[in-house]
Amino acid sequence: NAGVTQTPKFRVLKTGQSMTLLCAQDMNHEYMYWYRQDPGMGLRLIHYSVGEGTTAKGEVPDGYNVSRLKKQNFLLGLESAAPSQTSVYFCASSKWGGQFEQFFGPGTRLTVL
Amino acid sequence: RKEVEQDPGPFNVPEGATVAFNCTYSNSASQSFFWYRQDCRKEPKLLMSVYSSGNEDGRFTAQLNRASQYISLLIRDSKLSDSATYLCVVTSTLNEKLTFGTGTRLTIIP
Repeated sequence: NAGVTQTPKFRVLKTGQSMTLLCAQDMNHEYMYWYRQDPGMGLRLIHYSVGEGTTAKGEVPDGYNVSRLKKQNFLLGLESAAPSQTSVYFCASSKWGGQFEQFFGPGTRLTVL
Repeated sequence: RKEVEQDPGPFNVPEGATVAFNCTYSNSASQSFFWYRQDCRKEPKLLMSVYSSGNEDGRFTAQLNRASQYISLLIRDSKLSDSATYLCVVTSTLNEKLTFGTGTRLTIIP
């Protein structure tokens, strides 16, 4: 099992460009999450999904969109990147809800110039 | 007030010492509690769950005080490999999402 994988691992964007981050899990987990991690801020939840076809806003959703068309994939989109979105993005999945262990992907380091 | 508060450290501790971390949370309806560990430039990984009765996993002991909304982690006989950032984590009322503390950085000194 690969667990949780993220694509790409690194990316540099210019302000105003768009991109999609892909998260895939092979553990048949229902719940999936997108976080961003900034120095001194800890992990903050962007969006999450409690099952295929569902999405919900987290703590910092502005400037991001998500889709969960297939159970194993959770996509995070930046429509018009801003320097404030420079961060490390982590995807995670769990079997059901928060009471179960969350498994994280290796992260995507995004720089917006 | 932050939902989950931790002392950011850093804690610099000699090998073999005992070290304790504390964490407080604001949502009294939180259901589940955890400690995650994050190595430098790596993803977080579950260290242990935290139960009201207290629980132990080898050199690690976690305690939860629901009345005071306080969580602790004790590491005994610390090893160099314990150097990491320790994240206190609390679930939401409906258990659908987690809130992470900003983490406590620990460095074990030879």
